[in-house]
Amino acid sequence: NAGVTQTPKFQVLKTGQSMTLQCAQDMNHNSMYWYRQDPGMGLRLIYYSASEGTTDKGEVPNGYNVSRLNKREFSLRLESAAPSQTSVYFCASSGVGWGPIGYTFGSGTRLTVV
Amino acid sequence: RKEVEQDPGPFNVPEGATVAFNCTYSNSASQSFFWYRQDCRKEPKLLMSVYSSGNEDGRFTAQLNRASQYISLLIRDSKLSDSATYLCVVNTNAGKSTFGDGTTLTVKP
Repeated sequence: NAGVTQTPKFQVLKTGQSMTLQCAQDMNHNSMYWYRQDPGMGLRLIYYSASEGTTDKGEVPNGYNVSRLNKREFSLRLESAAPSQTSVYFCASSGVGWGPIGYTFGSGTRLTVV
Repeated sequence: RKEVEQDPGPFNVPEGATVAFNCTYSNSASQSFFWYRQDCRKEPKLLMSVYSSGNEDGRFTAQLNRASQYISLLIRDSKLSDSATYLCVVNTNAGKSTFGDGTTLTVKP
């Protein structure tokens, strides 16, 4: 099984450009998440979706939007990229709400905004 | 004060050493606890859950101390392949997960 698949793996944007990060999971998990990780820091939650059809803000939602397209797919959109959004983005899924089984992460998207 | 705090290290140990990491949390309503391993430029991967009674998986032992609000990870007989960053994760019963910033371990020959 592929687990959690993210695309693209790398991206360079100019300030003000927009883009969508794609995430899909094949584990039939209800909950999906978008995190960002900055150097030397822990993961910070951007948005999450506890189930198909629902989305909620996390700790750092400003500048982002999300869409839970179906049970498998959860996308993250940057409408007008800013240098402060340079980061590594991880999508994750979880089978029973927030745990206690833990998360499965995708391999990440390394985004640079210049 | 951060909700979840870890000693960032780095911990530099020789092969075969025993090393322990602690992670303290501030929310007494925290319900579930995990250790993740993250290799350089890779995604975090679940290492083990932490149970109230403590649990062991091979060379790895996790402990929970609710009274003092910390969890620990003990690695025995360290291998070169154990070199990584170890993240603790604390979940509340409201479903909120908080990650620590990680502790970096380097195991040297």
